[in-house]
Amino acid sequence: EPEVTQTPSHQVTQMGQEVILRCVPISNHLYFYWYRQILGQKVEFLVSFYNNEISEKSEIFDDQFSVERPDGSNFTLKIRSTKLEDSAMYFCASSSQGARDTQYFGPGTRLTVL
Amino acid sequence: GDSVTQMEGPVTLSEEAFLTINCTYTATGYPSLFWYVQYPGEGLQLLLKATKADDKGSNKGFEATYRKETTSFHLEKGSVQVSDSAVYFCALTTGQAGTALIFGKGTTLSVSS
Repeated sequence: EPEVTQTPSHQVTQMGQEVILRCVPISNHLYFYWYRQILGQKVEFLVSFYNNEISEKSEIFDDQFSVERPDGSNFTLKIRSTKLEDSAMYFCASSSQGARDTQYFGPGTRLTVL
Repeated sequence: GDSVTQMEGPVTLSEEAFLTINCTYTATGYPSLFWYVQYPGEGLQLLLKATKADDKGSNKGFEATYRKETTSFHLEKGSVQVSDSAVYFCALTTGQAGTALIFGKGTTLSVSS
């Protein structure tokens, strides 16, 4: 069964450093998303992406964040200058043209900012 | 704005007990409703969904019915197993492309043998 994959599974970085989280969505999906889950809290939407542009973003997704689809398979989330409060689990998701409302999630990347 | 409210956990049950996790929502338009499950140390897995009023989603013995009149989507299972221990999230989306999933806070279920 096709699945969303994410790398790395765990990323440790120093405050102020840039990080790039990578995702490979399901191959025929056209809509892509990033969410985050701070430990013990609810899953929060960050951004959605379609046709090489951002469709929607939340208040969390400020100028420190950016997304990119650099090739036909990868979807990345970049945090330019990490803060302690960026420590969280980051989930990538994707959905298809035929079932746009049904999002399939990757296993997540745990980001720890020291 | 749109929101999802789930019952507070944790829910602790014995194996073979009946499970209900309550979920109510507030939304403009006609949302699609979802239950996701997160097993320890893993990501979110879609458990079931319903896209219109009176639809029943079901999977792995779990069921939930989309009740527009009560704006609810309660998750039920007739006989839980230890392997069902996980965090369950109710969520909604308005169903348009690129629209955010809005999650409830999650309910932790712990099943003992």
